[in-house]
Amino acid sequence: EADIYQTPRYLVIGTGKKITLECSQTMGHDKMYWYQQDPGMELHLIHYSYGVNSTEKGDLSSESTVSRIRTEHFPLTLESARPSHTSQYLCASGQGARDTEAFFGQGTRLTVV
Amino acid sequence: EDKVVQSPLSLVVHEGDTVTLNCSYEVTNFRSLLWYKQEKKAPTFLFMLTSSGIEKKSGRLSSILDKKELFSILNITATQTGDSAIYLCAVVTGTASKLTFGTGTRLQVTL
Repeated sequence: EADIYQTPRYLVIGTGKKITLECSQTMGHDKMYWYQQDPGMELHLIHYSYGVNSTEKGDLSSESTVSRIRTEHFPLTLESARPSHTSQYLCASGQGARDTEAFFGQGTRLTVV
Repeated sequence: EDKVVQSPLSLVVHEGDTVTLNCSYEVTNFRSLLWYKQEKKAPTFLFMLTSSGIEKKSGRLSSILDKKELFSILNITATQTGDSAIYLCAVVTGTASKLTFGTGTRLQVTL
């Protein structure tokens, strides 16, 4: 069973607040990912990391930022939340030189009012 | 830009039917293709395919990859209501193992 955790599970916050979504994995995986998914819609990659101190932007432009100071931790930060940021955010991690299977956390549903 | 396309977008079948879900891709530096099932929250892993022509099976589910024609199919035989979900296809590319997901196929199995 995959050990990847996201907190909080649900967050309702006012416009303009700074928020950090936490993602931690205990599997020692090098690769970690953040996806944004609106209800019933596809997963969009917003950030990924292939190791400590490496981060890349994904295909979907996002106002969020990420950091990867430790292998197990990949937090996502929004400096000033807006209603357009309301969505589900899924974190995943993976490992493997050639074959990479990604395990997902349970997600954080963010609502900005 | 890497592109993953799934079809159909949505499918309603009767319990006991067999379904075939399609995933085609246009990417750079292909490494592997993954299938996931998403019911309510997080996607759960089904299969990983890296070689053409080798079928992967798990119970009533099976999948195969064609790297020449750049597609994969996911078959579900004798469908059950518990198979109702969104089925996601993802392609892993590059040394950074970037994952790109398709739009998903929403499958509904009715009695």
